[in-house]
Amino acid sequence: KAGVTQTPRYLIKTRGQQVTLSCSPISGHRSVSWYQQTPGQGLQFLFEYFSETQRNKGNFPGRFSGRQFSNSRSEMNVSTLELGDSALYLCASSLSPAGTAYEQYFGPGTRLTVT
Amino acid sequence: EDKVVQSPLSLVVHEGDTVTLNCSYEVTNFRSLLWYKQEKKAPTFLFMLTSSGIEKKSGRLSSILDKKELFSILNITATQTGDSAIYLCAVPSGNTGKLIFGQGTTLQVKP
Repeated sequence: KAGVTQTPRYLIKTRGQQVTLSCSPISGHRSVSWYQQTPGQGLQFLFEYFSETQRNKGNFPGRFSGRQFSNSRSEMNVSTLELGDSALYLCASSLSPAGTAYEQYFGPGTRLTVT
Repeated sequence: EDKVVQSPLSLVVHEGDTVTLNCSYEVTNFRSLLWYKQEKKAPTFLFMLTSSGIEKKSGRLSSILDKKELFSILNITATQTGDSAIYLCAVPSGNTGKLIFGQGTTLQVKP
């Protein structure tokens, strides 16, 4: 069974631009969660989608948004990029909503560099 | 506020040593605790623990949960250089279910 895929793997943007990241979950998984990982803050939860609905949202500004499509694929958008947005963005999928008795599997991540 | 704390933050051992990594947590409505291993890429799933006192084992790795004392340990026996990684512990937060991660333990195994 194919794992979680994320595109693109690497991205370089300049301040003020916007970016869209994509995540395709494991087949059959309906929950997709997004995380930001930085050396200083570790792994921080951004949001979770289940069946096209946002279930949870972390403590990030409104510049960070996402959505999920009917095939469970998810996109994350960051507008008006700032230098501090440089990070590894990870998505994880699971069968059921996060926090239930099902583990989450991570994709390879998208490394975003903002210059 | 829900939180997960791991210790130690970093550890250097030699091949063949046994290591114990710690994870303590404070969450409302506890349901599960997960361990992940992260090398130079995305975290890979190791264990999920839901019941107290039951050991999960996979090769040289094992983990156990103590729901009364609110902690879990991850043991690695006969360590190898390939075990060098960041080990992450995560717990779904309260009623929202979003995963709260600890800071991670960076393990370096020297030959």
